[in-house]
Amino acid sequence: DGGITQSPKYLFRKEGQNVTLSCEQNLNHDAMYWYRQDPGQGLRLIYYSQIVNDFQKGDIAEGYSVSREKKESFPLTVTSAQKNPTAFYLCASSIGRQPPDTQYFGPGTRLTVL
Amino acid sequence: GESVGLHLPTLSVQEGDNSIINCAYSNSASDYFIWYKQESGKGPQFIIDIRSNMDKRQGQRVTVLLNKTVKHLSLQIAATQPGDSAVYFCAETLRGTDKLIFGTGTRLQVFP
Repeated sequence: DGGITQSPKYLFRKEGQNVTLSCEQNLNHDAMYWYRQDPGQGLRLIYYSQIVNDFQKGDIAEGYSVSREKKESFPLTVTSAQKNPTAFYLCASSIGRQPPDTQYFGPGTRLTVL
Repeated sequence: GESVGLHLPTLSVQEGDNSIINCAYSNSASDYFIWYKQESGKGPQFIIDIRSNMDKRQGQRVTVLLNKTVKHLSLQIAATQPGDSAVYFCAETLRGTDKLIFGTGTRLQVFP
């Protein structure tokens, strides 16, 4: 997993509650990403950040929010507005200074809404 | 819709044989491609990448081939081992961007 940590590994949430997923990297990467993976499917981009204090929406940003106050941290909040939040969430990072750029992934957090 | 897809959702091979996993992409503006391996319950692991100015790249037991004419990418694994069992994703990056577009993946099953 190369210096990218995600916590917790498993997370359970009741409907109507917000929950925050942690992602930390010690690779000195500028860019960080959040993806969602549903069973038997590929990864879909939620949000990404190319530099501290800046981030952009991905393809499925509705119901999610992020912050990037520190270079090494990119937490993702799954809000109650997300209609179907149960999924496997993956964080990635890359050097980010010039595309194309290889992304490296963390171990993931499996979120289940009860 | 997705611009990256795979021909075979599941590939079963015997241990010791070579494996070939295929991927088709539809965007001619893509100039960077990556293969990832994902084991159950884990994050994707980088295997090998290739840029559009190349048609072949080799790593340890793996080779990626890129055919830009037909927009086709393949991953060849030599002497497939049980530890190679996983889902393999190809991903493409459009020129000038750093966003990856993933396919749905191919499951590789290795049997003795």
